[in-house]
Amino acid sequence: DAGITQSPRHKVTETGTPVTLRCHQTENHRYMYWYRQDPGHGLRLIHYSYGVKDTDKGEVSDGYSVSRSKTEDFLLTLESATSSQTSVYFCAIKAQGHYGYTFGSGTRLTVV
Amino acid sequence: RKEVEQDPGPFNVPEGATVAFNCTYSNSASQSFFWYRQDCRKEPKLLMSVYSSGNEDGRFTAQLNRASQYISLLIRDSKLSDSATYLCAVGGLTGGGNKLTFGTGTQLKVEL
Repeated sequence: DAGITQSPRHKVTETGTPVTLRCHQTENHRYMYWYRQDPGHGLRLIHYSYGVKDTDKGEVSDGYSVSRSKTEDFLLTLESATSSQTSVYFCAIKAQGHYGYTFGSGTRLTVV
Repeated sequence: RKEVEQDPGPFNVPEGATVAFNCTYSNSASQSFFWYRQDCRKEPKLLMSVYSSGNEDGRFTAQLNRASQYISLLIRDSKLSDSATYLCAVGGLTGGGNKLTFGTGTQLKVEL
């Protein structure tokens, strides 16, 4: 399997608390992405990175921030969690060239 | 109009049947196309890339119609193990971070 792991796998947190999700890759790929998946909406891009310290917003970036200080790690932070951020979060990596993404196993986040 | 649209299904087919899914996209500048398979509560996994000339991988055939802006996936001789949700993904220009936009998925149920 591709070297991409997400942590934690499951998390329950309270409204208003900050939460950080981690994506770690061992593939040395330049591109990394954070998506959320919700029924009826499918996968929606939150933020992405095209290199160390190079990040940009996706279509649903409000309430989220990211950081990439090393090639292998891409962190997603919910600054103040809300119930609308209850979702499954997937990280993905992409090799240079015409290749698709490889996804991590996902993080199931519940905000109560 | 959504950027990428799929019929959500479910498509219920008997084992051995041939089934086809379509996916339409709105951005005529799109340059990369993929089909993913997602099992329940799992991450999406790349099934196949879609090339302009069409491509086949065993029982699976993918085609691209740029004029009508859709991609298709044909599954022949369906197996019970093909039951899953099939997501199409469409990507823009390389300079745009290689981002993919996903459809909401089409659910396939293969029955005895």
